Amino acid sequence: NAGVTQTPKFQVLKTGQSMTLQCAQDMNHNSMYWYRQDPGMGLRLIYYSASEGTTDKGEVPNGYNVSRLNKREFSLRLESAAPSQTSVYFCASSVQIYEQYFGPGTRLTVT
Amino acid sequence: AQSVTQPDIHITVSEGASLELRCNYSYGATPYLFWYVQSPGQGLQLLLKYFSGDTLVQGIKGFEAEFKRSQSSFNLRKPSVHWSDAAEYFCAVLNTNAGKSTFGDGTTLTVKP
Repeated sequence: NAGVTQTPKFQVLKTGQSMTLQCAQDMNHNSMYWYRQDPGMGLRLIYYSASEGTTDKGEVPNGYNVSRLNKREFSLRLESAAPSQTSVYFCASSVQIYEQYFGPGTRLTVT
Repeated sequence: AQSVTQPDIHITVSEGASLELRCNYSYGATPYLFWYVQSPGQGLQLLLKYFSGDTLVQGIKGFEAEFKRSQSSFNLRKPSVHWSDAAEYFCAVLNTNAGKSTFGDGTTLTVKP
């Protein structure tokens, strides 16, 4: 039982490049989330998916897109990376209204 | 809209001393509240949660938290801190209608030997 896994762990992009962050969970959770964490700003919700087939914007969705590929997988795409998107990205999952389980994070640097 | 305030950005305590981390929330209905801990370079891990019932809840690693509705607070406590407790701590409130949580900005705990 791996919990929530994220790939890659580290990534360096140049401004304007695109990439997709992958997230998968094996706990049969309905809900999945993408957050970014910046120093002194806690966790800010980018997008979430309350169930397979649905996605909703969070607090800071601009510059990102998501896909809930199936119940297990929830990917985050940066179409044209900007230095302001340098951050640590966390994926999480939960059973509806209960606590969230977090992945280990992806450290992204955009130069 | 819901919000969470953690007034202390950074706290330093000596090993063996007691600890209290403050959390104040704003939410229109009965809150579902959480404390998470994040060790350096790791994801967040749940310490404890409050949904209803007894207002004093016990969590892992010897932590407890008390829900006080009158003060809109959910403070985290530990009677005797260990060096391994050094980490960042996040309080969160769940919007049960939307199914998403709002996190505080976190409190970084340093433990002096």
